[in-house]
Amino acid sequence: GEQVEQRPPHLSVREGDSAVITCTYTDPNSYYFFWYKQEPGASLQLLMKVFSSTEINEGQGFTVLLNKKDKRLSLNLTAAHPGDSAAYFCAVRPYGNEKITFGAGTKLTIKP
Amino acid sequence: EAAVTQSPRSKVAVTGGKVTLSCHQTNNHDYMYWYRQDTGHGLRLIHYSYVADSTEKGDIPDGYKASRPSQENFSLILELASLSQTAVYFCASSYDRYEQYFGPGTRLTVL
Repeated sequence: GEQVEQRPPHLSVREGDSAVITCTYTDPNSYYFFWYKQEPGASLQLLMKVFSSTEINEGQGFTVLLNKKDKRLSLNLTAAHPGDSAAYFCAVRPYGNEKITFGAGTKLTIKP
Repeated sequence: EAAVTQSPRSKVAVTGGKVTLSCHQTNNHDYMYWYRQDTGHGLRLIHYSYVADSTEKGDIPDGYKASRPSQENFSLILELASLSQTAVYFCASSYDRYEQYFGPGTRLTVL
């Protein structure tokens, strides 16, 4: 089945700096890709999504890039602010599959 | 916006006891899921359902049962709770195979 590896597990950057979180997946039929944000003690909120047909999506200060050739998904934060401190999870769903596979998560800390 | 609620929000159970976690969604989604999250880890799929009165096994179904009596409701049942089932449990729903909307979670502690 699908396997998703997310890196790094912890990331600390200064306010205003950029940050990149990367996920690699194994199933070449993967078609739907999601990023979720989880603040401490809270549930997961959908942050962004990209489908295999697009490869890039931008919003809320983030950019999602999909490299299908390398089977790599990245979440790029261009200018971090304190509200971005949270855990971030990538999620991948192969075409025709009901199940989503989640990465292990990245805990992002924004330092003043 | 999608609305998924869970009850209870927190529960302490004794080893060997029965625990039922409930999930209710009001977004008319066909798909519902149960995940567990262990401290510092991602989500692992326990059971899911895409139609009422039918459930499917996820990646870690051992020790858990699920029930989907209606489109809106999905329960997770631990017949004999064990220490290793201490975790936070999330319910989610989705329209077809698109993004999932999560409930607030239930923190289960088994003593």
